[in-house]
Amino acid sequence: DSGVTQTPKHLITATGQRVTLRCSPRSGDLSVYWYQQSLDQGLQFLIQYYNGEERAKGNILERFSAQQFPDLHSELNLSSLELGDSALYFCASGSGNTEAFFGQGTRLTVV
Amino acid sequence: GENVEQHPSTLSVQEGDSAVIKCTYSDSASNYFPWYKQELGKRPQLIIDIRSNVGEKKDQRIAVTLNKTAKHFSLHITETQPEDSAVYFCGDYSGGSNYKLTFGKGTLLTVNP
Repeated sequence: DSGVTQTPKHLITATGQRVTLRCSPRSGDLSVYWYQQSLDQGLQFLIQYYNGEERAKGNILERFSAQQFPDLHSELNLSSLELGDSALYFCASGSGNTEAFFGQGTRLTVV
Repeated sequence: GENVEQHPSTLSVQEGDSAVIKCTYSDSASNYFPWYKQELGKRPQLIIDIRSNVGEKKDQRIAVTLNKTAKHFSLHITETQPEDSAVYFCGDYSGGSNYKLTFGKGTLLTVNP
């Protein structure tokens, strides 16, 4: 157990819908990273938050947004879903240039 | 990852042989380089990491080397075992004003008994 909790574990939804993925970081970690992992693809960096503020953005679509709340949990919002958004979404937490601990991931299936 | 190139994409070795995976990065501000192992259906887990002020680090059968001048780092696994079979990702943490932790596209390592 990494100490990072992601919910839900699985999500099936229809095209055009909106979903919210949730991540609770390890106790004491201020950074939260979000990644997308598609079939046969690597870990695509989406966005990073540090202590409530956005710190870095990667290849995140405009239909996607995220935030980190005062209690440090984070949510990734995916809207106007397309079939190609089906993937495993990981969040990881850490303290900057140290080990990032990954959650178990949320598997999103868009039908 | 956008900042990290990883090779090879697949690697097949016989049990007991060594495996080497190489990564190159582009940001001279990068200062932390982790390696993660992801078994099928599981989350990535750190196996070893190295900082920019160190040239080599070893942990039992696993070692990582870093060449800052050439901007590349490598993972070395000796005496491979079937349980080493997994996807390995190299990571690059860029400091300065760019705090991304990005990863290479991964290497699928298969260790044949």
